Amino acid sequence: DAMVIQNPRYQVTQFGKPVTLSCSQTLNHNVMYWYQQKSSQAPKLLFHYYDKDFNNEADTPDNFQSRRPNTSFCFLDIRSPGLGDAAMYLCATSRDQRQSRYFGPGTRLTVT
Amino acid sequence: ILNVEQSPQSLHVQEGDSTNFTCSFPSSNFYALHWYRWETAKSPEALFVMTLNGDEKKKGRISATLNTKEGYSYLYIKGSQPEDSATYLCAFITTSGTYKYIFGTGTRLKVLA
Repeated sequence: DAMVIQNPRYQVTQFGKPVTLSCSQTLNHNVMYWYQQKSSQAPKLLFHYYDKDFNNEADTPDNFQSRRPNTSFCFLDIRSPGLGDAAMYLCATSRDQRQSRYFGPGTRLTVT
Repeated sequence: ILNVEQSPQSLHVQEGDSTNFTCSFPSSNFYALHWYRWETAKSPEALFVMTLNGDEKKKGRISATLNTKEGYSYLYIKGSQPEDSATYLCAFITTSGTYKYIFGTGTRLKVLA
C-alpha cells in the first residue's frame, strides 16, 4: 500500500542535543510537509517542499531545518532542542497544496 | 489572522448515541473544507473533501454538511461505536492571496461502551 512512513515513532533527546526525524513516502507526491502538534492545539505548519522548492513559514524558528534529498524522503532537523520543542511531529504529503494531506503516524519527541 | 474553530473541544458519548460537532471558518475566500479522523497511535486520515455550499457527504455512519455563506461545517456520527473514538480535525483552504491550509484544533470524541 502506498503510504507515508515516519521514523522513529518515539524520540527522546536531551536539551540542546541535535535530533533528526525522517519521513518517506511511496505516493510520489510533489509536496511534503512538516507539522508540529502540541496537545489540544491545531497542527502547525513548519515548512513544506514543493518538489525541490523549500518554503519556510514566517514564524518557524531557525532552530528547525529541513532537507529533501529526493522525491521520497524528507528530514526534519532540530539543531538545539528546547523543552518547548517537545511535541508530535507529523509528516504529510499531497499532490498540490489544495489537496488533502496524506499523513504519517507522527514522531513523538520528548526533550529531557 | 485566519481562525478555524472547532467545538466542542472534547466530548464523551455512550455507544449507540448520535452526535455532531462543528467547524467554523471565515466565510470569505473559501476554496474547500477537509475533514480528517485521527485515531490514537495512527495517522490522520482524510474523511471528506467539501467544496460547494450545501455539500453533503456521507461515509457509512458519518456524514458532513457545509455552509460556506455562514462559515460552518457539521460532522454527524449516527449510532456512535467505540471504534469511532478519535480526534476529528477540519482544515479550511482559502484562496486569499496564495492558498492557505489551516487546521482547526480538533474535537476529541470518546465513545463509551
